[in-house]
Amino acid sequence: QKEVEQNSGPLSVPEGAIASLNCTYSDRGSQSFFWYRQYSGKSPELIMFIYSNGDKEDGRFTAQLNKASQYVSLLIRDSQPSDSATYLCAVKKADQTGANNLFFGTGTRLTVIP
Amino acid sequence: GAVVSQHPSRVICKSGTSVKIECRSLDFQATTMFWYRQFPKQSLMLMATSNEGSKATYEQGVEKDKFLINHASLTLSTLTVTSAHPEDSSFYICSGGTGAYQETQYFGPGTRLLVL
Repeated sequence: QKEVEQNSGPLSVPEGAIASLNCTYSDRGSQSFFWYRQYSGKSPELIMFIYSNGDKEDGRFTAQLNKASQYVSLLIRDSQPSDSATYLCAVKKADQTGANNLFFGTGTRLTVIP
Repeated sequence: GAVVSQHPSRVICKSGTSVKIECRSLDFQATTMFWYRQFPKQSLMLMATSNEGSKATYEQGVEKDKFLINHASLTLSTLTVTSAHPEDSSFYICSGGTGAYQETQYFGPGTRLLVL
């Protein structure tokens, strides 16, 4: 079983719609969750992080965490063509000492259609 | 946010030569630095983790004698691909972290390596 799983997509949504990206993780002890956006040919950039159950909103982005279901999602409201990218979910385990390792999913490719 | 730079951004070399990639944290001290490789249309694959002043920890399947990592200071780590071959052509990305609990990693812009 992979540490972090994502639907590879591609996910296509029309401009202005809500894009919903999902991620599941295998280690119940994981405590830190991150969403990165990666444009083609570029390195990942951090969008949001979430540590507690529930929703966390930042502008058009909302991260949702459900530790009981081992599920984390990212909602993008009012999707724009510039949001078209691959979205990576990353998880940090609670028992990591010193190394601060992140486990990445394979990413979901999002296309926002004008 | 924290800034990480990489140099060079792109390099083309002949098969059999060695290539050094530098990763610098510009406005923070990176206790730990990570090196990733990403092949086209694939996700990030962690190659190794290094802490300042100590030997790097390599992931399974990554040859430590081929990918030499040096983390000489809290702001600089280098990756040397020795005797590069065409199959080493990839996008190499470094990241740094301060080691603070729950803190994320800050990624460099990446280095695209093409071995002819």
